Amino acid sequence: QVRLQESGPGLVKPSGTLSLTCAVSGGSISDSYWWDWVRQPPGKGLEWLGEIYHDGRVNINPSLKSRVTMSMDQSSNHISLKMTSVTAADTAVYYCAREMSDQVVAFDFWGQGILVTVSS
Amino acid sequence: DIVMTQSPDSLAVSLGERATIKCKSSQSISKNSNNKSHLAWYQQKPGQPPKLLIYWASTRESGVPDRFSGSGSGRDFTLTISSVQAEDAAVYYCQQYQSPPPMFTFGQGTKLQIK
Repeated sequence: QVRLQESGPGLVKPSGTLSLTCAVSGGSISDSYWWDWVRQPPGKGLEWLGEIYHDGRVNINPSLKSRVTMSMDQSSNHISLKMTSVTAADTAVYYCAREMSDQVVAFDFWGQGILVTVSS
Repeated sequence: DIVMTQSPDSLAVSLGERATIKCKSSQSISKNSNNKSHLAWYQQKPGQPPKLLIYWASTRESGVPDRFSGSGSGRDFTLTISSVQAEDAAVYYCQQYQSPPPMFTFGQGTKLQIK
């Protein structure tokens, strides 16, 4: 059973950089899956941020492309998210998730999420 | 970008009755090489991540009760709960995938309350 666990600072200052890590257990990020980040502002809906493949290919939501980078560390089985120039609008629960496959493009495993608040 | 619009925004259904949630896409949903629509449904309870219920518009994820069913094609999709149970109180989201470039879009969510 794959498990994902997000970690990182819960509070980031405006104009700062949000940095999160997702630890994957019960599976390897070197397996042939896309690993994604999705966020949810408090009381609102879900927004896809981007995805990273086991070979390092990355696709980012065009609306965030200038501010978001993703990476992976196969030695520690982690994926990472960085978002620069954050504002209060970036306050959200951030989830990492796994896509089932190229044929089933849906998220079958999710982390519990981490609330990141942007505030001074 | 594709916009996904769910209706209604909220609904209240009596225990044992049917609940129907609709999802309409601004463009026709893409399909995989097996002609399956890239349309999924999720259930989210407070304080929890979304849970995958349905993929390919109508295929139940493993372990999902058979009272949940999905249907539709093209731009119009439906999630039906045939006999609502107390534990079905949640927010439900539809999600589509398009490529190129890769992009996932969710509906705004539908809150289901049990009367």
